[in-house]
Amino acid sequence: ELKVEQNPLFLSMQEGKNYTIYCNYSTTSDRLYWYRQDPGKSLESLFVLLSNGAVKQEGRLMASLDTKARLSTLHITAAVHDLSATYFCAVDANFGNEKLTFGTGTRLTIIP
Amino acid sequence: EAQVTQNPRYLITVTGKKLTVTCSQNMNHEYMSWYRQDPGLGLRQIYYSMNVEVTDKGDVPEGYKVSRKEKRNFPLILESPSPNQTSLYFCASRLVHGGGTDTQYFGPGTRLTVL
Repeated sequence: ELKVEQNPLFLSMQEGKNYTIYCNYSTTSDRLYWYRQDPGKSLESLFVLLSNGAVKQEGRLMASLDTKARLSTLHITAAVHDLSATYFCAVDANFGNEKLTFGTGTRLTIIP
Repeated sequence: EAQVTQNPRYLITVTGKKLTVTCSQNMNHEYMSWYRQDPGLGLRQIYYSMNVEVTDKGDVPEGYKVSRKEKRNFPLILESPSPNQTSLYFCASRLVHGGGTDTQYFGPGTRLTVL
């Protein structure tokens, strides 16, 4: 059974600081996704990572994938309040199957 | 506007009363999926569909049914709802299965309460 773990589950950080969210998964996968969810809202797709060493960046967020370590990171640079949200990673363990397993999410709060 | 729609957005019902949550997408996507979101458990996949008439179980399919008779619609059916199906439900769709950098679009969610 595929397990996806995110750390930390809760993160409170000051504006302007940098931090990293970690996503570990238990079986081989070559596709990993990051999503953002604002309170009471739906999920918004942030990044799709398709291969070992993949790195994607959008504004203050950067995601990377290490398939050998079964680890993805979401790095936040110089955090701003607008980034407060819950972030999920999700893993597709079977290529072409599309079955996604989500992590439990990281609730990020940026304090002014 | 490209979107995934769900109806109803909120529903309170009683145990055993059959219900259907509709999901429709206007992007001609092949792949569609249903998830439920519960506190502390994240999102769990219920069922997914790779194309018309092709559906498969996700991680938590018990108590649910789906159908995919048309490409744009993917309804979720609860034949005999129980209180443990109280949850927030999301439908999602995606253009191409099996690869690529396509994103997955999520519907607005349906909050279901079963008394």
